[in-house]
Amino acid sequence: DTGVSQNPRHKITKRGQNVTFRCDPISEHNRLYWYRQTLGQGPEFLTYFQNEAQLEKSRLLSDRFSAERPKGSFSTLEIQRTEQGDSAMYLCATGGEHSPLHFGNGTRLTVT
Amino acid sequence: AQSVTQPDIHITVSEGASLELRCNYSYGATPYLFWYVQSPGQGLQLLLKYFSGDTLVQGIKGFEAEFKRSQSSFNLRKPSVHWSDAAEYFCAVGAKGSQGNLIFGKGTKLSVKP
Repeated sequence: DTGVSQNPRHKITKRGQNVTFRCDPISEHNRLYWYRQTLGQGPEFLTYFQNEAQLEKSRLLSDRFSAERPKGSFSTLEIQRTEQGDSAMYLCATGGEHSPLHFGNGTRLTVT
Repeated sequence: AQSVTQPDIHITVSEGASLELRCNYSYGATPYLFWYVQSPGQGLQLLLKYFSGDTLVQGIKGFEAEFKRSQSSFNLRKPSVHWSDAAEYFCAVGAKGSQGNLIFGKGTKLSVKP
């Protein structure tokens, strides 16, 4: 039990389709982070929320990507018009303010 | 530019042998430093962190790391490797006061020979 649940674990989609991932922290944390990890690379920061507010976005987060955290608990990450380059593991994490990041097991996206 | 370099992509050690994984960082300010471990298909688990004070930090699973400011390094060590340590190890750096927006290295994959 990582304390952060991510669904789905795997998603295969065709290029051009939209996909949405969900992150559910088991315990309450003010901050929630999204990272992307491509094959052979370390995780790269995408964005983070302080409660409902999205406070920082990476340049990696193109306008096809949108993240929300409507009630300050769970979060969703949507990718519109997926491209093959979007294939990656998308990781959600809590903490980061007064404690280290605690990662979920991620959602692996494959765009065909 | 801020960056983390892990020079070894893949390391193989025999079970019971000692281990050292290298990490060099480039960061403009006083950094926070971390080591995370990732098993296949899983998220990352924190092994240890360094903020300030004693430059030798102890972590979980018998790991330790030493911060050397003069060398901009934060190498991870373990005196005796177990087969269950086979995984990918990531070094990361963050700004002082922030443990969330981290810059990760590309990782070192550790294989353990019986």
